[in-house]
Amino acid sequence: QQPVQSPQAVILREGEDAVINCSSSKALYSVHWYRQKHGEAPVFLMILLKGGEQKGHEKISASFNEKKQQSSLYLTASQLSYSGTYFCGTEGAQKLVFGQGTRLTINP
Amino acid sequence: DAMVIQNPRYQVTQFGKPVTLSCSQTLNHNVMYWYQQKSSQAPKLLFHYYDKDFNNEADTPDNFQSRRPNTSFCFLDIRSPGLGDAAMYLCATSRDRGRAGPLNTQYFGPGTRLTVL
Repeated sequence: QQPVQSPQAVILREGEDAVINCSSSKALYSVHWYRQKHGEAPVFLMILLKGGEQKGHEKISASFNEKKQQSSLYLTASQLSYSGTYFCGTEGAQKLVFGQGTRLTINP
Repeated sequence: DAMVIQNPRYQVTQFGKPVTLSCSQTLNHNVMYWYQQKSSQAPKLLFHYYDKDFNNEADTPDNFQSRRPNTSFCFLDIRSPGLGDAAMYLCATSRDRGRAGPLNTQYFGPGTRLTVL
């Protein structure tokens, strides 16, 4: 079952904050976050495991709410380099199942 | 540096002419994946190998085949490419699969962009 990401697209000005959500209808064991810049391959950002922990990468952090079966990615004081499409991935029986992606555009 | 390499980066083929895409890894990971990604869409998993065990996705057309002759290499064969097969093809690896937490993290190659004329 594919996780659902929201919003589908975000446009920000440099320095603004954004939140990207990833929700699943199934119980989550972990959530992986990736970023893909235009014309490039997805790059792993971080993994969130059960327990509601938060992790960080640069000024990007994420949380995992096991009860809500949801993870959120927080981008603080966004930089131009944060532009791209963000995918969450949830663990299925034999593979990661990726959400449909959230396109983030940062304007100067 | 350990990495995932794909060749070629760009491939142009003619309608119906077989094509092979190559992926190699120096991570010594057990799992290798092939994804198809079309513009503005999420990567779509075609199949994966866990070691020598081949796992096909139910909706992957028969036109797509794969080979993994050893741990390091994996090939994607498109037997008769159609116009709808034009896409970015991504190879990825992970140490493990399923509910494996960090071991499930996938590392992607740069991709091969396939054009079908």
